[in-house]
Amino acid sequence: DIQMTQSPSSLSASVGDRVTITCRASQGISNYLAWFQQKPGKAPKSLIYAASSLQSGVPSKFSGSGSGTDFTLTISSLQPEDFATYYCQQYNSYPYTFGRGTKLEIK
Amino acid sequence: EEQLLESGGGLVQPGGSLRLSCAASGFTFSSYAMSWVRQAPGKGLEWVSAISGSGGSTYYADSVKGRFTISRDNAKNTVYLQMNSLRAEDTAVYYCAKDGYCSGANCYPTSFRDWGQGTLVTVSS
Repeated sequence: DIQMTQSPSSLSASVGDRVTITCRASQGISNYLAWFQQKPGKAPKSLIYAASSLQSGVPSKFSGSGSGTDFTLTISSLQPEDFATYYCQQYNSYPYTFGRGTKLEIK
Repeated sequence: EEQLLESGGGLVQPGGSLRLSCAASGFTFSSYAMSWVRQAPGKGLEWVSAISGSGGSTYYADSVKGRFTISRDNAKNTVYLQMNSLRAEDTAVYYCAKDGYCSGANCYPTSFRDWGQGTLVTVSS
């Protein structure tokens, strides 16, 4: 199975900051990497697919990059609504696997 | 508008069974694989199972293999998750998600853009 190592597990930042979350796959997954945002009590929301493609309706402040084993999610100009938990997921092969999540908190 | 609506969750005793349903609308259901993902209280996301558009191929996480069975009824636009021999560690919110596009015998990976609202399964005596 492909393991996804996501870091950091938590991150404290201020409104207006830019933050980066990283995700490393235990083997190459090409660009079959997605990023999700989840708020308490809600279903995950898709932000990025194919490592760097923005889902329709998602603001351009979210961006993704990477290929192979190393990936990043960058969020610029943080706003209060961006404070949530973020997950990466590989969908290169079953069993699909998620990172353990990054909880983004307001400093 | 594409929608997914889960149902069937509830309280069940250890060793018991439960069947979850996910009704889909707004897209050509039989053309897409479907997945179940769960989230234990306060924990992260765990992919559980997937089924191809035709239903001919199924996939499971090791944690549920041999206990859970995924199936689908394309006439009813519904995917199911039959959960047997339930354990306390199966307690979670279960989400269904629209998976890859299928054409004939082949399915092409796509990320989970559409999710249901989730249904809570609690395994406790």
